[in-house]
Amino acid sequence: GAGVSQTPSNKVTEKGKYVELRCDPISGHTALYWYRQSLGQGPEFLIYFQGTGAADDSGLPNDRFFAVRPEGSVSTLKIQRTERGDSAVYLCASKTDTGELFFGEGSRLTVL
Amino acid sequence: AQSVTQLGSHVSVSEGALVLLRCNYSSSVPPYLFWYVQYPNQGLQLLLKYTSAATLVKGINGFEAEFKKSETSFHLTKPSAHMSDAAEYFCAVKGGNNRLAFGKGNQVVVIP
Repeated sequence: GAGVSQTPSNKVTEKGKYVELRCDPISGHTALYWYRQSLGQGPEFLIYFQGTGAADDSGLPNDRFFAVRPEGSVSTLKIQRTERGDSAVYLCASKTDTGELFFGEGSRLTVL
Repeated sequence: AQSVTQLGSHVSVSEGALVLLRCNYSSSVPPYLFWYVQYPNQGLQLLLKYTSAATLVKGINGFEAEFKKSETSFHLTKPSAHMSDAAEYFCAVKGGNNRLAFGKGNQVVVIP
């Protein structure tokens, strides 16, 4: 499709496990953002990529969270030693340098 | 840092009645402001944006918003609510690195 694709759409894991969430942006979009949306809250910024590099990772809550975008397209958000508090919807968005931000449908993570 | 405030998490409106969602911003620089809508199990979709041109901004689905610097507000309105307007609405302000800071959102319920 032509939109931002996120997989998996739902992920249930156990406390302490490792998870990876994938974002496939719109082709040609150089900027990619990850946000986290907890229940009853608005999306909160996690990290921003311009091309392959993380231009701003100040929103990552701690060192258990890491994200990569090795070829400047697909990005993976990695969470180590998951905790129940990590349960949320993780949103990815992409845009051209001057264009509108397009969001994916999100990956809902549940940590039991 | 830029931020927005949305009060009243749930808003009920009768079908055909005015929809009014309030957003107040805090910004040290002239703000770029946005309203997004999120339908169940879908990604965020841009309704409209203010980028320092006209203070009255018209968006999709009959929504509009007025930027009022004196009130630091960017309230969203629609003259006549439709059942299809039931969704969650987020106000956002653009900060550094083009990252968006979102409000907590308003869940709109349309009563037939």
